[in-house]
Amino acid sequence: QSALTQAASVSGSPGQSITISCTGTSSDVGAYNYVSWYQQYPGKAPKLMIYDVSDRPSGVSDRFSGSKSGNTASLTISGLQAEDEADYYCSSYTSSSTFVFGGGTKVTVL
Amino acid sequence: QVQLQESGPGLVKPSPTLSLTCDVSGVSISSGNYYWSWIRQHPGRGLEWIGYIYYTGSTSYSPSLKSRVTISVDSSKNQFSLKLNSVTAADTAVYYCARVNIGHSTMRVWGQGTTVTVSS
Repeated sequence: QSALTQAASVSGSPGQSITISCTGTSSDVGAYNYVSWYQQYPGKAPKLMIYDVSDRPSGVSDRFSGSKSGNTASLTISGLQAEDEADYYCSSYTSSSTFVFGGGTKVTVL
Repeated sequence: QVQLQESGPGLVKPSPTLSLTCDVSGVSISSGNYYWSWIRQHPGRGLEWIGYIYYTGSTSYSPSLKSRVTISVDSSKNQFSLKLNSVTAADTAVYYCARVNIGHSTMRVWGQGTTVTVSS
């Protein structure tokens, strides 16, 4: 299985909205609504931000939202803040009962 | 509060097997609602899923690592383990264990990670 495709980097100014895309195939992203998004700061473990394409765990800001269309999932961060600067990874369950991650996107707040 | 803690050798020589353990607290590993997973991250790189185990012993592995990986569970100790065979410098990475919520196929709880360096 190949890694899901994410842009290497995305940037935005404080207050703006940015969107990170995650493209897979009909065997992973397109197969189920089991796409998750993780935030990772340097030297830290990943933190779950979105699951089941668009659901947020309690405690995660509603500035974070997720969606999916076909084989592509997206994470949108609204009202960008300095604390949002981190790496973001998408993940999907697959039709082979495995998981696959995206290559990661570095978000920079200008 | 659910916590996961990885443990194992930080520095290993290229050898037949690398072994890591994940101690689980705050929930029974036999509760049935979760898979227990291993993920790794090479230096400066992205996350790579290694595999998961259900408390019954049923497993799923990454196709790229399947020939070298074994994940096992010890319910009596509330822990699960990773064995990786024929390790080389390319296996140098931070290894994480995580709890997977089956109904949502998401890794909601992660350990802090343990760094493994393979070097002679």
